[in-house]
Amino acid sequence: AQSVSQHNHHVILSEAASLELGCNYSYGGTVNLFWYVQYPGQHLQLLLKYFSGDPLVKGIKGFEAEFIKSKFSFNLRKPSVQWSDTAEYFCAVSIYNQGGKLIFGQGTELSVKP
Amino acid sequence: NAGVTQTPKFQVLKTGQSMTLQCAQDMNHEYMSWYRQDPGMGLRLIHYSVGAGITDQGEVPNGYNVSRSTTEDFPLRLLSAAPSQTSVYFCASSHTGTENTEAFFGQGTRLTVV
Repeated sequence: AQSVSQHNHHVILSEAASLELGCNYSYGGTVNLFWYVQYPGQHLQLLLKYFSGDPLVKGIKGFEAEFIKSKFSFNLRKPSVQWSDTAEYFCAVSIYNQGGKLIFGQGTELSVKP
Repeated sequence: NAGVTQTPKFQVLKTGQSMTLQCAQDMNHEYMSWYRQDPGMGLRLIHYSVGAGITDQGEVPNGYNVSRSTTEDFPLRLLSAAPSQTSVYFCASSHTGTENTEAFFGQGTRLTVV
């Protein structure tokens, strides 16, 4: 069965620190990749997505992610975090010809200290 | 646009009671799904539908029923609530196909079963 693994369960950073959250998936075929963010008490919102083309994708609020097909990875990065980035981050994968069905990672809770 | 609308936002049930969580979308999405979110486990797929009249089980379907009589609506039924069903439930919708399968989420329902 396909699965998604996020390496960090809880990350604590100070403001202005750089962020990288790991995400690996297990599926040998073509996939669509997503990062969602959930601010405290809110629903999931899309940060960025990869369907095809340039493997470096840019999303909202200064986030970016790089798809490395050989490593089955889609790591999320931000050069300088802010207190307002405190949230839970979810990596998700959908199989190319099974559009809509998302498989989520366990989530990474990010706490940014002011 | 309303997007994905879920009701209610909060609910407390006694063990053995039944209830229906409502979900509606106005984006003409073919695909709709229900997830439950539990700490440290990410989002797990309960049931999904690829169109009106078509439903299928996800990862954790036991104790839940769904139906899809229209494109817009996808209610989730708990026939006999159990404490293990205490969770936050999210409804999502998206297009099917190979790309543009970004999922849009409802605001969530926080369910407590006592």
